[in-house]
Amino acid sequence: QSALTQPPSASGTPGQSVTISCSGSSSNIGGNYLYWYQQFPGTAPKLLIYRNNQRPSGVPDRFSGSKSDTSASLAISGLRSEDEADYYCAAWDDSLSGPVFGGGTKLTVL
Amino acid sequence: QVQLVESGGGVVQPGTSLRLSCVASGFTFSSFSMHWVRQVPGKGLEWVALVSGDGTIKYYTESVKGRFTISRDESRNTLYLQMNSLRPEDTAFYYCAKGRSGSYAALFEYWGQGTLVTVSS
Repeated sequence: QSALTQPPSASGTPGQSVTISCSGSSSNIGGNYLYWYQQFPGTAPKLLIYRNNQRPSGVPDRFSGSKSDTSASLAISGLRSEDEADYYCAAWDDSLSGPVFGGGTKLTVL
Repeated sequence: QVQLVESGGGVVQPGTSLRLSCVASGFTFSSFSMHWVRQVPGKGLEWVALVSGDGTIKYYTESVKGRFTISRDESRNTLYLQMNSLRPEDTAFYYCAKGRSGSYAALFEYWGQGTLVTVSS
């Protein structure tokens, strides 16, 4: 199983808000920045959120990240059909001396 | 703009070797750590290896230690992954990704398009 825990699926209707959780431990999320990645089928992942809550240029402000202790969340407001994708959280793990990913959450826009 | 182009994937038999390459452009290659991340088709992401900007520090996920070697050639702006003693469980898409300068993090700022490695008899 993955070092970081995410729900396998999430869903919402257009316009709604949805939150995806990511939980870990003191060796990863608890002591390091949290990152979120978005991946559409058949394409490479893309950086969505960095350093817990920062958006790279071009990422809509409908996407926001937060972190508290050993957990983090990705919130998507004003859900759109084009948000349907897989979302992964990731953090450096001090015990493993490397990054670890969550198992991914498949977001479905109903 | 930043571009990462992987190559070298293919179908190989268990126990054999393969070398992946990733040509980088659009940034000062030597200033950034670089990663390999893999993904079994239809499954999640797994970090594989990291090399520092100067090539002196390398980290690996446990399952590939002693079998895979990450390296970089600054003169060619190219990242490599030498994979030996390949196993069926190494079958995956392999992505190279640009890391950060300075200390290490789970930052994969840019990704290549990926190259598929299939290990099968």
